[in-house]
Amino acid sequence: GAVVSQHPSRVICKSGTSVKIECRSLDFQATTMFWYRQFPKQSLMLMATSNEGSKATYEQGVEKDKFLINHASLTLSTLTVTSAHPEDSSFYICSARRGRANTEAFFGQGTRLTVV
Amino acid sequence: GENVEQHPSTLSVQEGDSAVIKCTYSDSASNYFPWYKQELGKGPQLIIDIRSNVGEKKDQRIAVTLNKTAKHFSLHITETQPEDSAVYFCAASMRGGGNKLTFGTGTQLKVEL
Repeated sequence: GAVVSQHPSRVICKSGTSVKIECRSLDFQATTMFWYRQFPKQSLMLMATSNEGSKATYEQGVEKDKFLINHASLTLSTLTVTSAHPEDSSFYICSARRGRANTEAFFGQGTRLTVV
Repeated sequence: GENVEQHPSTLSVQEGDSAVIKCTYSDSASNYFPWYKQELGKGPQLIIDIRSNVGEKKDQRIAVTLNKTAKHFSLHITETQPEDSAVYFCAASMRGGGNKLTFGTGTQLKVEL
């Protein structure tokens, strides 16, 4: 399968600071990338859909000013958690799909964010 | 929007036995159904998928069946091994649905020796 690389895998930050998470598709061009949040023992919650060269589409209830998403190229999307608070601590996962059709989605390794 | 239900939430089997996980979906427009395996602290890994023009697909010990009329699909794992222990998620998506996947709630599979 295709490879999606997510970095960093773990990050600890202080309250009030911002954290950037990168998601790269290593061997294919990803027209669409997705960002999820996952709480312990729960399913994946879609936060936003990111299309290359356009603004991200956020799911209802997700603060766009809090979670900044940039999809600058066909292989890179970033999620920035701004002014992080302890309640933002979570497991964040990105995924990428090839093209615009209903194709396979491949996931990154996830980022464990801890805000102290 | 699409709603995907998944059962059971936990499943314990003896090594060598088969495991079956079932999912139902609500939107008849959904036409792509992947299954993911997630190990602790890692991202989901695609293990098998099926499209709506196919009723069954098999890959070694893993198979998926789809019943479009009843709107349900199942994952079958035969000859289970301890390394199959993980959380499994089903998902559904449709063409034109923003390419979004709707996930089930997950099944914690434990394969006991």
